Amino acid sequence: EADIYQTPRYLVIGTGKKITLECSQTMGHDKMYWYQQDPGMELHLIHYSYGVNSTEKGDLSSESTVSRIRTEHFPLTLESARPSHTSQYLCASSELGSGRSTGELFFGEGSRLTVL
Amino acid sequence: SQQGEEDPQALSIQEGENATMNCSYKTSINNLQWYRQNSGRGLVHLILIRSNEREKHSGRLRVTLDTSKKSSSLLITASRAADTASYFCGLYNNNDMRFGAGTRLTVKP
Repeated sequence: EADIYQTPRYLVIGTGKKITLECSQTMGHDKMYWYQQDPGMELHLIHYSYGVNSTEKGDLSSESTVSRIRTEHFPLTLESARPSHTSQYLCASSELGSGRSTGELFFGEGSRLTVL
Repeated sequence: SQQGEEDPQALSIQEGENATMNCSYKTSINNLQWYRQNSGRGLVHLILIRSNEREKHSGRLRVTLDTSKKSSSLLITASRAADTASYFCGLYNNNDMRFGAGTRLTVKP
């Protein structure tokens, strides 16, 4: 069982609110990811991090921001939520690649965000 | 950045039948991984095949990889209703992981 946790699992908020989705892992993984996924659709990488103080934008442009102050914690923030942000957000982590690393990702259970 | 392309997009079979789903890609990979996602949940790793391997087995799962055709297939034998889920191929190359759009498998009891 993966030791990666996301909170909240479900969130319904009004337009214009600031929200933070939390993601924590206890596996000591350096690399962490945020994916956005609409129901039944593909995963879009929106942010990733190679370690503390590292953050990179993914393939899909996103108005969200991330931070990586501690290895185990990779929160995602939306300063002003809009209905277009309604989606499921999945956090994942993996070992950083080396000769033996396979890059296997461990996923949290997701945070389903609904913006009214 | 590359993503995999899976087909079919959706597959519906009867319990006991085999399910085959395919993944094609365009650039180099270190390995290819298959993941499963139950509705509304996160993805769970199923099986990995390295670029120098051609076939792997794990329980009822069989994965093949053809690097010359840049394609992989996942076979689930003797399917069960509990296998109903979406299945994604993950393409891993130099610390970079990308996913395809997934195949939605429905196994009818």
